[in-house]
Amino acid sequence: QSVLTQPPSVSAAPGQKVTISCSGSRSNIGNNYVSWYQQLPGTAPKLLIYDNNKRPSGIPDRFSGSKSGTSATLGITGLQTGDEADYYCATWDSSLSAYVFGTGTKVTVL
Amino acid sequence: QITLKESGPTLVKPTQTLTLTCTFSGFSLSTTGVGVGWIRQPPGKALEWLALIYWNDDKRYSPSLKSRLTITKDTSKKQVVLTMTNMDPVDTATYYCAHSTVYSSSWFRFDYWGQGTLVTVSS
Repeated sequence: QSVLTQPPSVSAAPGQKVTISCSGSRSNIGNNYVSWYQQLPGTAPKLLIYDNNKRPSGIPDRFSGSKSGTSATLGITGLQTGDEADYYCATWDSSLSAYVFGTGTKVTVL
Repeated sequence: QITLKESGPTLVKPTQTLTLTCTFSGFSLSTTGVGVGWIRQPPGKALEWLALIYWNDDKRYSPSLKSRLTITKDTSKKQVVLTMTNMDPVDTATYYCAHSTVYSSSWFRFDYWGQGTLVTVSS
């Protein structure tokens, strides 16, 4: 089981906002940068957020990231049907000396 | 434009060694701050990081799989090869390679991914 814990699923209506939490510890989120990846059904993951809150070119500002202590959060505003996907947080774990992914969260647009 | 593509067997038998090749374009693995990593995903499960090779040939491995993994690069061929020994049915997964922007051994991200290749381990 992963050292980064995410809720299995979140859902909201189109246009609404969802937040996805990623809970870790001092050895991972607490002292390292967090990335978020989006995996649309049947496709490869895609980088959504890096360095806690930065967006790669082409990622709309509807997606945002934040970090506080040993937790990180991904926010999606103006939810669209095309946002239905699995979302993973990830970071380096200094105790494990490993790059770790979260358990993953499935976003459903109602 | 950065692209990566994984290739290798789709079916391997238990105890065999898996060899996967990642062929990439649009960047050089001799450029400072660049790496290529491997990540896998069992069907219906979460992502799992396997290994990362840096531009300077430094390497990092998942501690839980380190004894079974070897990652190498051929800069001129623009390829990265991952070998995993002693394959088991639990290793059945889609294997992805990805371009990494590296700042330090603990600060990097995977910013471009290949399409992935499904490897099934079965006798």
